[in-house]
Amino acid sequence: EAGVAQSPRYKIIEKRQSVAFWCNPISGHATLYWYQQILGQGPKLLIQFQNNGVVDDSQLPKDRFSAERLKGVDSTLKIQPAKLEDSAVYLCASSLLWGGRGIYFGEGSWLTVV
Amino acid sequence: QQPVQSPQAVILREGEDAVINCSSSKALYSVHWYRQKHGEAPVFLMILLKGGEQKGHEKISASFNEKKQQSSLYLTASQLSYSGTYFCGTDGGATNKLIFGTGTLLAVQP
Repeated sequence: EAGVAQSPRYKIIEKRQSVAFWCNPISGHATLYWYQQILGQGPKLLIQFQNNGVVDDSQLPKDRFSAERLKGVDSTLKIQPAKLEDSAVYLCASSLLWGGRGIYFGEGSWLTVV
Repeated sequence: QQPVQSPQAVILREGEDAVINCSSSKALYSVHWYRQKHGEAPVFLMILLKGGEQKGHEKISASFNEKKQQSSLYLTASQLSYSGTYFCGTDGGATNKLIFGTGTLLAVQP
């Protein structure tokens, strides 16, 4: 079974530029998550989708971050304009419907903002 | 409120045992445990649902005390492959909206 796919793996951009990350979850997983992990810290949830609807985006900085999951499968996370403090690993994860299920992570997209 | 893990770091020799604790200030529906190796994504180990159950995965097991809002991860006869940072993730409702803990760095030496 294929795991969660993410691209690109690495990205270096200058502050105020934009960047987009793509994620394809495990087949059949209705729930998709985007996490931000800063070096030395645990992952922080940015947004959670159930199919193509948003379940929670309370920690998404909406003035610069946006995410969509139009057809209930793959998803894109965009940052525009980027700030230095956005340097982090952006982890996409997926799980079967609803709670009580393990969450499976992709390898992450490493973002450095200079 | 981020769950607090203890200890922050532990160094073991191969074959030794370790316990990692996770404590939350909120009522919990479930607790997840993950291991993350340097430069890699977190890997799901196990999930415990409220009911005080205990689970095992090879030589790694965990318990969940919902009244105390605490969970513990037990690693017995540790192997080099157990090295990494362990995170608990807590869910206050059945939504899988996890809040990850502060992390515990485990280093197993030969």
